[in-house]
Amino acid sequence: QVHLQESGPGLVKPSQTLSLTCTVSGGSLSSGGFFWNWIRQHPEKGLEWIGYIYYGGTTSYNPALMSRVDISVDAANNQFSLNLRSVTAADTAVYYCAMIRGAYYYPLDVWGQGTPVAVSS
Amino acid sequence: DIQMTQSPSSLSASVGDRVTITCRASQRIDSYLNWYQQKPGKAPKVVIYAASSLQSGVPSRFSGSGSGTDFSLTISSLQPEDFATYFCQQSYTPPFTFGQGTKLEIK
Repeated sequence: QVHLQESGPGLVKPSQTLSLTCTVSGGSLSSGGFFWNWIRQHPEKGLEWIGYIYYGGTTSYNPALMSRVDISVDAANNQFSLNLRSVTAADTAVYYCAMIRGAYYYPLDVWGQGTPVAVSS
Repeated sequence: DIQMTQSPSSLSASVGDRVTITCRASQRIDSYLNWYQQKPGKAPKVVIYAASSLQSGVPSRFSGSGSGTDFSLTISSLQPEDFATYFCQQSYTPPFTFGQGTKLEIK
């Protein structure tokens, strides 16, 4: 059974880079057939898909964030990461990593527990 | 981007009631529509995928229907553990987008 766990700082200063890591257990990032996603949820608001990375390094990003986002894989440590540059208060949210198995049109069927991030000086 | 519009935004119901939540896409998405349940402080959990397929482990009182642009999630007989917020999500094409959520509350 695949388990995901987010980690990273809970507080980031404005204009800095938000960096989060998702550690995968029970599955391998080196295997094909999985899409590794980041999603965020603003306080008391809905869900916003940030992007995914697929085996081999193919990425897809939300156009609203594309200019500031990078998602990468560290296969040796079975982790994937999110970097969001030039953050503002609008980036304050709970950040989730999640997995799609099979093809990108399948559901996000495994989620991490989420990690809250506040952007504040 | 494909816009997803859910209704209602909130719903009060009693244990044993049958409830239906609807979701409309701004363009056709075939059956690439998923429903998630989220409880406070927890990650969303998929209950229905591909519009009408029941996720493994989800009770059969949950069902989904629809294709194209109009979809619905029905809970046939509400149980106490079903009170939560429900989101629809299109997986037809990135960027994947979610409805704004329907908060299901106890009457």
